[in-house]
Amino acid sequence: DTEVTQTPKHLVMGMTNKKSLKCEQHMGHRAMYWYKQKAKKPPELMFVYSYEKLSINESVPSRFSPECPNSSLLNLHLHALQPEDSALYLCASSLRPAREGGELFFGEGSRLTVL
Amino acid sequence: SQQGEEDPQALSIQEGENATMNCSYKTSINNLQWYRQNSGRGLVHLILIRSNEREKHSGRLRVTLDTSKKSSSLLITASRAADTASYFCATDYSGGYQKVTFGTGTKLQVIP
Repeated sequence: DTEVTQTPKHLVMGMTNKKSLKCEQHMGHRAMYWYKQKAKKPPELMFVYSYEKLSINESVPSRFSPECPNSSLLNLHLHALQPEDSALYLCASSLRPAREGGELFFGEGSRLTVL
Repeated sequence: SQQGEEDPQALSIQEGENATMNCSYKTSINNLQWYRQNSGRGLVHLILIRSNEREKHSGRLRVTLDTSKKSSSLLITASRAADTASYFCATDYSGGYQKVTFGTGTKLQVIP
């Protein structure tokens, strides 16, 4: 199984809603990533989990809250988002750390629209 | 801030021609990777080149790396319509451990 599965594929939410994005992989990867991608822009790193511990937070606003309940699952909890947070949210995983040549495996993304 | 800048931003070629994309980056790295993204979908890893390598091949892909110039190029030979996609270089920061940042990307259109 070489897949990273993201749900939901599409999400529309109001600025007062609370929702979550989910990411799952069963490749035994111990590093998992959240990226945000706006239209016609490259993916921007948000968070990195390594061995289920948060290792990188790229100064992401607290309205985004990551969670890694176990080695296969990564969540991104969303609360009080702004319309400018509308984007494609990509989850990725890697077997090895980046500096050791860890290839990232990406999910298909969750397209978020904040009204 | 973005690690890499890619050039050109957009490239349109005829099927069968070669496509070359360039990536420049700012800091020292351990590895440089190239990824492909079809419109609105996830990224797919294409090839990785380590900082001590100068050239690498994989099928129709050829990647070069010049660490003295902090630049890399991706050559796709004998392009096909199915190669139409955005291509991103991605670098790890040699001072970091897990951080992978993406360049600005090149949008390639291959016309049948």
